[in-house]
Amino acid sequence: QVQLKESGPGLVQPSQTLSLTCTVSGFSLTSNSVHWVRQPPGKGLEWVGVIWSGGSTDYNSTLKSRLSISRDTSKSQVFLKMNSLQAEDAAIYFCAITIAAIFDSWGQGVMVAVSS
Amino acid sequence: DIQMTQSPSFLSASVGDRVTINCKASQNINKYLDWYQQKLGEAPKLLIYNTNNLHTGIPSRFSGSGSGTDFTLTISSLQPEDVATYFCLQHNSGWTFGGGTKLELK
Repeated sequence: QVQLKESGPGLVQPSQTLSLTCTVSGFSLTSNSVHWVRQPPGKGLEWVGVIWSGGSTDYNSTLKSRLSISRDTSKSQVFLKMNSLQAEDAAIYFCAITIAAIFDSWGQGVMVAVSS
Repeated sequence: DIQMTQSPSFLSASVGDRVTINCKASQNINKYLDWYQQKLGEAPKLLIYNTNNLHTGIPSRFSGSGSGTDFTLTISSLQPEDVATYFCLQHNSGWTFGGGTKLELK
């Protein structure tokens, strides 16, 4: 059974770096791509980026300069790091896998607030 | 980048009503348009993929249609459990979500 679970700090100070972890089970990171999607409170969904099964990455062009996605296949974990955090980065962050480019399974999401 | 314009942003309907939600792409996305349902506090749930394919376990009252730039999600007979926000998503070139449609009961 495919499962994804996000974890990370609930609160980040402005200008600091956000670090999130997506721990997966039921599939291999070397066989499936893992995406990050975020949703500001009360708003729509925004695709953040992806780490492909081969390990390469693609990012939302508006976030690319601040974003890094990596993984540890031995631990079945995918990491998101975003620097220079601002208020508009406050959101629920989801990780999800795609099969044939379709979002097939999602984690429950982790809420991130940005405040001093 | 492809932009997705979803309408309406808010919809109020009665149980048993036929409901339609639209998404328009800024350029041709072929058939690569999916529909998701999101209930409060939950992750999105796949309903329809590649325009008109019903995902496993989704009731047949949900259907999708369209091609190119214009797409529609239809709920043939609205049920109370369908109250949710609905999003379209294009994956022809990268991934772009529509702005969402909040569906409530009248």
